[in-house]
Amino acid sequence: AAGVIQSPRHLIKEKRETATLKCYPIPRHDTVYWYQQGPGQDPQFLISFYEKMQSDKGSIPDRFSAQQFSDYHSELNMSSLELGDSALYFCASSLRQGEAFFGQGTRLTVV
Amino acid sequence: GQNIDQPTEMTATEGAIVQINCTYQTSGFNGLFWYQQHAGEAPTFLSYNVLDGLEEKGRFSSFLSRSKGYSYLLLKELQMKDSASYLCAVFTGGGNKLTFGTGTQLKVEL
Repeated sequence: AAGVIQSPRHLIKEKRETATLKCYPIPRHDTVYWYQQGPGQDPQFLISFYEKMQSDKGSIPDRFSAQQFSDYHSELNMSSLELGDSALYFCASSLRQGEAFFGQGTRLTVV
Repeated sequence: GQNIDQPTEMTATEGAIVQINCTYQTSGFNGLFWYQQHAGEAPTFLSYNVLDGLEEKGRFSSFLSRSKGYSYLLLKELQMKDSASYLCAVFTGGGNKLTFGTGTQLKVEL
């Protein structure tokens, strides 16, 4: 069965650079979530989209932005990267309020 | 605001039963999920409760009391591979925000 695809799996960036993370949800899922998970921490909700419209916003820095495109894939754009942005970034998708399926994550390292 | 609490760590013996509790105080409630997460991997779905009561799924069961803001995950016949972090997550607001608790690190010993 198709799962949530995230790319890239690993990314190394320097401080003040920009990064773009991509997420391809499970076909026919209408909701996409983005989470940030630091070492030893629980996933922190960043933002979600329902039917390509932003539906909820969590602790997402102003330096970050996200959007969902007509083909339902989503991108998380991160600018002016800081060392503290190093984390695992998970994308998840669901059908309305059903169970959320997570991608394998993108490990971002800022050096 | 959202407040979801779980014990930080638990240790149990292989073959035993363990109960992981989760209490929550959230603005709005549309359901509660339990996820399992091994280090460095994605969370994987275990169970979902939206009504009060017990949901059983093989070796895993989850209970919900909405009036008490309380849930637990019950793991039976523990195996070494059950050593992982267990995350309680609540759907809040319009249902498009899944908020995770702090996670419980379970260690299964021989």
